[in-house]
Amino acid sequence: GPKVLQIPSHQIIDMGQMVTLNCDPVSNHLYFYWYKQILGQQMEFLVNFYNGKVMEKSKLFKDQFSVERPDGSYFTLKIQPTALEDSAVYFCASSKQGREQYFGPGTRLTVL
Amino acid sequence: QQKVQQSPESLTVSEGAMASLNCTFSDGTSDNFRWYRQHSGKGLEVLVSIFSDGEKEEGRFTAHLNRASLHVSLHIREPQPSDSAVYLCAKSNTGYQNFYFGKGTSLTVIP
Repeated sequence: GPKVLQIPSHQIIDMGQMVTLNCDPVSNHLYFYWYKQILGQQMEFLVNFYNGKVMEKSKLFKDQFSVERPDGSYFTLKIQPTALEDSAVYFCASSKQGREQYFGPGTRLTVL
Repeated sequence: QQKVQQSPESLTVSEGAMASLNCTFSDGTSDNFRWYRQHSGKGLEVLVSIFSDGEKEEGRFTAHLNRASLHVSLHIREPQPSDSAVYLCAKSNTGYQNFYFGKGTSLTVIP
C-alpha cells in the first residue's frame, strides 16, 4: 500500500539546537499531519497542514515549532530551539481527503 | 480535550484464542473510529475503520461501535504470535480528521 517515509529514523541533538524532521508523504496526498509520542504515553496530535497552510494545531504545537512543505517536497517539522521535553517519537501522516491517513514509521528525537 | 481510554493495558492470550480489546471515549460526536497496530519500532498499521454503530469486519479483526455507551471494541479471531504488538484505538474529530489516540493495549500471543 501507500507508504509515508520519515527521515531520519533517529536524531540526537543538544538542547537549544535546531532540528528539522522530514516526511515524504504519499505522492497525491493533500493533507499532512504531525503527531508526537513521548515514551510510554499516548500519541498526540500536533498540527495539520493543507494547501500550504496550518489549518489546526494543538496546544502542544509550541511557538518554537513550525511546519512547511516547500515546492511539494518534504513536509517538515522544525523545532528551534529544542528543549528537553521535545524528546519523543514524531509521526508524520498524510491523506488524500482527510479520512484515510497513512502514517510513517516515526522519527525518534533525543534532546540532550 | 478529547479522551480515549483503552483497557486492558496489557493482554496475554494463547495462539488461537479470541483476543478482545476495549476503548471508551469522552464523547460520541466523532465520525470516525479506528484501530491501529504498532509493532515495536514500526509505524502504524490500520486494522479497522468504523463509522456507524454496529460491527465491521476486516479479515480476522472485528470492531464493534456503540456510540450511546461511548465504546468501541476490537476482537481478534485466531490470534498468532505475529499479532503481538501494541493496539491503539483512535477517534477523529470532524473537519480535518485529526486523530486522538488511547495509550494502547500491549498484546502478547503465546504459541
